Amino acid sequence: EDQVTQSPEALRLQEGESSSLNCSYTVSGLRGLFWYRQDPGKGPEFLFTLYSAGEEKEKERLKATLTKKESFLHITAPKPEDSATYLCAVKGMNRDDKIIFGKGTRLHILP
Amino acid sequence: DAGITQSPRHKVTETGTPVTLRCHQTENHRYMYWYRQDPGHGLRLIHYSYGVKDTDKGEVSDGYSVSRSKTEDFLLTLESATSSQTSVYFCAISTRLAAETQYFGPGTRLLVL
Repeated sequence: EDQVTQSPEALRLQEGESSSLNCSYTVSGLRGLFWYRQDPGKGPEFLFTLYSAGEEKEKERLKATLTKKESFLHITAPKPEDSATYLCAVKGMNRDDKIIFGKGTRLHILP
Repeated sequence: DAGITQSPRHKVTETGTPVTLRCHQTENHRYMYWYRQDPGHGLRLIHYSYGVKDTDKGEVSDGYSVSRSKTEDFLLTLESATSSQTSVYFCAISTRLAAETQYFGPGTRLLVL
């Protein structure tokens, strides 16, 4: 059964304190791994799609990396506006596979 | 922002009442999805559509039905609402079946008393 586990559930950082969020996945052949950001009361906002192990993508202070078993979302020198819930999702290779979402990591950046 | 709107944005209803939520898109994307989001759970797929009048079940479809009579509109109906259906409902769209980026609407917060 396809599974996505995100850790930690919640993370508090001081402004400028870099860290990483983890997304471990189990899928029978990875078609794509997705990262989303979700602000309170809003819908998820797309950040990145990764397709194969070794791939990396960057956007401002965020960098997503992918291995065969997990993905990391690295946050460098975060600012308070980076506070949000970050969601990870995966889709398997089979045509009928649906996207499976993790429960998310709530990130709070203190000024 | 992707052109996705949901209505209503908030709704309070009573157990046993039928409820219909609407998702409207201006992107002309073929695929549309309904998810629910609850504390302690990830987003869970309820139903999806791969074209006008073409729909299929997701992970948590019991108690829900959908309809898509036009490309731009995807309706989610709770035939007889129950308290367990209290949730936040998100609509999403994509150009390909779950293989590419899904863009989400702003959500509908539903409370069933």
